[in-house]
Amino acid sequence: SQTIHQWPATLVQPVGSPLSLECTVEGTSNPNLYWYRQAAGRGLQLLFYSVGIGQISSEVPQNLSASRPQDRQFILSSKKLLLSDSGFYLCAWRQQAGNTIYFGEGSWLTVV
Amino acid sequence: AQKITQTQPGMFVQEKEAVTLDCTYDTSDPSYGLFWYKQPSSGEMIFLIYQGSYDQQNATEGRYSLNFQKARKSANLVISASQLGDSAMYFCAMREGGRGSTLGRLYFGRGTQLTVWP
Repeated sequence: SQTIHQWPATLVQPVGSPLSLECTVEGTSNPNLYWYRQAAGRGLQLLFYSVGIGQISSEVPQNLSASRPQDRQFILSSKKLLLSDSGFYLCAWRQQAGNTIYFGEGSWLTVV
Repeated sequence: AQKITQTQPGMFVQEKEAVTLDCTYDTSDPSYGLFWYKQPSSGEMIFLIYQGSYDQQNATEGRYSLNFQKARKSANLVISASQLGDSAMYFCAMREGGRGSTLGRLYFGRGTQLTVWP
């Protein structure tokens, strides 16, 4: 069966520091991959999506970036965090011709 | 315009009773999919149920059913026989385009906080 994992689960980082959140999917190949962010009390906002290795599309201009170095690995990064980057980040995947998007456990990021 | 609207910020239901969570959507795409997710306090987003725009029957998954009214553009979630463990935030979401659409992105509503009391 397919599983998705992301880490770290919780992160407290100072303003201006770098960020790296990692996500891996197991049990499938060539999935669509997504990074969503959920601000407190709000719905989810799509940040990045990828349909293949090295193929990244951004939905929202910001100081975050994403990379897909391997088929089932998706990384969210920042060179310098802002206070406004605080939130709950969720990685997700979907089979290329599938219906459902499945989410990871999420990562809580607090920028102080 | 918002693509997904959930008008109930919070709902309360007694254990073993049924509850309906409202969701309306807005799209001009004839092919779309509607989803409900549950988010407990731990944060994980758990998939509950899916309804395709061309599906003739309402989707059901155990105690969850989706009341799909296409003309009204509504996709309400019905939870029967509520349990204490059902207390969580519930999100309605929509994907525009068929299942093979390359992007498959989801548009989410703001969610409804459901509290089940004994």
